[in-house]
Amino acid sequence: AQSVTQLGSHVSVSEGALVLLRCNYSSSVPPYLFWYVQYPNQGLQLLLKYTSAATLVKGINGFEAEFKKSETSFHLTKPSAHMSDAAEYFCAVSEGNQGGKLIFGQGTELSVKP
Amino acid sequence: DTGVSQNPRHKITKRGQNVTFRCDPISEHNRLYWYRQTLGQGPEFLTYFQNEAQLEKSRLLSDRFSAERPKGSFSTLEIQRTEQGDSAMYLCARGTDSGEQFFGPGTRLTVL
Repeated sequence: AQSVTQLGSHVSVSEGALVLLRCNYSSSVPPYLFWYVQYPNQGLQLLLKYTSAATLVKGINGFEAEFKKSETSFHLTKPSAHMSDAAEYFCAVSEGNQGGKLIFGQGTELSVKP
Repeated sequence: DTGVSQNPRHKITKRGQNVTFRCDPISEHNRLYWYRQTLGQGPEFLTYFQNEAQLEKSRLLSDRFSAERPKGSFSTLEIQRTEQGDSAMYLCARGTDSGEQFFGPGTRLTVL
């Protein structure tokens, strides 16, 4: 069975500071991993994905994530936070095939202080 | 634009009524998914179609829930005899050949 754990339900950073959102996964098969962002009352927007190619993945809006198999982690980072980054972020895992359902973490709410 | 539209965006209904939601992907992608998201939680998988075939259903999908994708394009999700616990955001996603899923804006259901 697959699962995702996001450490920290709420993270607060100052504008211009480093953003680090943590995600650990459990999977019995090589996983596909995703980060999504959700703004209030909207659907989910795909930030980036890992599908067994390069372990450092770059996404939209300056975000990137690194797949570390030994640590079963897929943390999301951004060097410099912007006010517009304030949102809910979800990490998700699928079974690595092309039709697998996504298993989501509980989400991390990111606040950005001016 | 994720290429997925959902209607209605909001639905308020009384307990015991039936409701139906619709999902339209921009093109006839093979894979279509339904998820449910309650407040403060991540989305939970409900069911999945490949073309017209419903390939997987979550145990969350009780016998009051039914989903269809009759022509392999749009899909509907019906909830019969709604309960207050059904109040949630219902999300639809289209799947790509590279394993990504792109979500629609969701239908927010409130059961009074």
